[in-house]
Amino acid sequence: EAGVTQFPSHSVIEKGQTVTLRCDPISGHDNLYWYRRVMGKEIKFLLHFVKESKQDESGMPNNRFLAERTGGTYSTLKVQPAELEDSGVYFCASSQPGLGEAFFGQGTRLTVV
Amino acid sequence: SQELEQSPQSLIVQEGKNLTINCTSSKTLYGLYWYKQKYGEGLIFLMMLQKGGEEKSHEKITAKLDEKKQQSSLHITASQPSHAGIYLCGARSYNAGNNRKLIWGLGTSLAVNP
Repeated sequence: EAGVTQFPSHSVIEKGQTVTLRCDPISGHDNLYWYRRVMGKEIKFLLHFVKESKQDESGMPNNRFLAERTGGTYSTLKVQPAELEDSGVYFCASSQPGLGEAFFGQGTRLTVV
Repeated sequence: SQELEQSPQSLIVQEGKNLTINCTSSKTLYGLYWYKQKYGEGLIFLMMLQKGGEEKSHEKITAKLDEKKQQSSLHITASQPSHAGIYLCGARSYNAGNNRKLIWGLGTSLAVNP
């Protein structure tokens, strides 16, 4: 069974550009989460989908970030326009209903220059 | 200040030695998760603790949650090079429905010398 897949693994973009990160969760997992780790800081929650609905988006930094999960399958996280402080590793995770383990992807390392 | 404090920040041990990593909060934790990360890889789930006083073991790794649910420890017995990586604790800071808004420690970097 495939795990959580994230694409791309690395992205380097210029300030002001747009970047879209993609996450393919484990098939059948209704819960999908986005987290971010900025260098030197702890991992921070961004948002949580249940199927295609946003359950909790209280961690989204600002309106330059837009997350979608059309059809309740894969999810995208778009940053537009990107700023220097958006650099970090973006993790996606998925889980079945309940409070059991969440399976994480390998992360997307975003560098804004 | 950090909501979850992990200690130590880094650790270098000789193969075969035991070690302990701690995760502490000033608040009650409703679910404590331990994950391990190797460079360039995702987080790998180790264990989840929910009840005060709970203890779980898997192979040579034992995790405990104290009675007050404010501190957890991860103990590795007879460490091996394969145990090397970054250990992260994450926790739910409030108890509500399907809350998955985990807060995280900064991580403990473990190196095991052969």
